[in-house]
Amino acid sequence: NAGVTQTPKFQVLKTGQSMTLQCAQDMNHEYMSWYRQDPGMGLRLIHYSVGAGITDQGEVPNGYNVSRSTTEDFPLRLLSAAPSQTSVYFCASTNRDRKSRGYGYTFGSGTRLTVV
Amino acid sequence: GQSLEQPSEVTAVEGAIVQINCTYQTSGFYGLSWYQQHDGGAPTFLSYNALDGLEETGRFSSFLSRSDSYGYLLLQELQMKDSASYFCAVASGGSYIPTFGRGTSLIVHP
Repeated sequence: NAGVTQTPKFQVLKTGQSMTLQCAQDMNHEYMSWYRQDPGMGLRLIHYSVGAGITDQGEVPNGYNVSRSTTEDFPLRLLSAAPSQTSVYFCASTNRDRKSRGYGYTFGSGTRLTVV
Repeated sequence: GQSLEQPSEVTAVEGAIVQINCTYQTSGFYGLSWYQQHDGGAPTFLSYNALDGLEETGRFSSFLSRSDSYGYLLLQELQMKDSASYFCAVASGGSYIPTFGRGTSLIVHP
């Protein structure tokens, strides 16, 4: 049981390049989310999904796309990287059975992205 | 919208007790959660309060006052390994997607 797995752990991109951050979970969780974390800004929601085929925008969705073709995978795509997207990206998952515990999310280890 | 306020930094000595406060503004409040994050690591879920009162889990306790839109995380018998960032998060309107505060950096000194 690996939990939430994110790849890559580190990435350097040039401005204008595109790439996909991978996220996979093996806990059969319905809910998956992407957050970015910048110094002093906490965790800000980019996109989220409540199940396969269903996604929605969070607080800071511009410049990112997501899809959810399977329950396990929730990749985040950067369309045209910009220096403002330099950040640490976290994927997280949970399921409705955790409602009584406030939907305590399980986070991946993060992807540290630098755009130059 | 939703907003949360928590102190940016708290310092304490090993063995002491420390309280990290969180005030929030939201509609349709559902519950308050706490997460811990060590430098370079991922956030990990610590506790959750949906009702007023204190929830205890070992050395950590979390308190909620819904009427005051206020909660806190209490850490007892502080250890060096407790040095980390602590985030409060609210879920509201039946949403399962929490909104996080900006985090409190706890520094524990010997």
